[in-house]
Amino acid sequence: AQKITQTQPGMFVQEKEAVTLDCTYDTSDPSYGLFWYKQPSSGEMIFLIYQGSYDQQNATEGRYSLNFQKARKSANLVISASQLGDSAMYFCAMRGALSSGGSNYKLTFGKGTLLTVNP
Amino acid sequence: DTAVSQTPKYLVTQMGNDKSIKCEQNLGHDTMYWYKQDSKKFLKIMFSYNNKELIINETVPNRFSPKSPDKAHLNLHINSLELGDSAVYFCASSRGWGRNYGYTFGSGTRLTVV
Repeated sequence: AQKITQTQPGMFVQEKEAVTLDCTYDTSDPSYGLFWYKQPSSGEMIFLIYQGSYDQQNATEGRYSLNFQKARKSANLVISASQLGDSAMYFCAMRGALSSGGSNYKLTFGKGTLLTVNP
Repeated sequence: DTAVSQTPKYLVTQMGNDKSIKCEQNLGHDTMYWYKQDSKKFLKIMFSYNNKELIINETVPNRFSPKSPDKAHLNLHINSLELGDSAVYFCASSRGWGRNYGYTFGSGTRLTVV
């Protein structure tokens, strides 16, 4: 079974500062993908960044970077230079096999972290 | 053009009614999904179809029945609606079935059962 844990229900950050949103995961599958999604108050789900379990380097996409520590099973999202528009719910998700060694995968989400950027 | 479109965006209905939510993607993706987001924002997979074949069927009441007429469409029909079915339902699609394929989500359908 795969599990995603986001321990911060809510986070606050000052505009222009950096913030780290925590995510840990658990899986017995050696091959998996890690994702972060943003859900603003309007409700849509926006893909931010992806990290593969075999990727050697941490993923980056603009102001987003993923701090991937495989041994610790953590995949924290770092947002640099926060903007007011970053205020939203952030979900960490993992795509792993439905069964050990299987070829069917599903995306499992954490419970999310509500980020508020203060002016 | 909207990549993954769901209709309707809002649905208010009475207990016991039957309703459908439609989903279409124009991305050429092979795999489509339905997720349910509850009042605490938790997202849980319900169904997944790959090239019209049912791949995932999580522990969902039989009152929920997905239908995929072709790989661009995945509709969700709900019979005998209950208060607990109130939630936001998201349709999503992905290019492939592997671990590194992310999802593109629709904008969600907010279902309210009264």
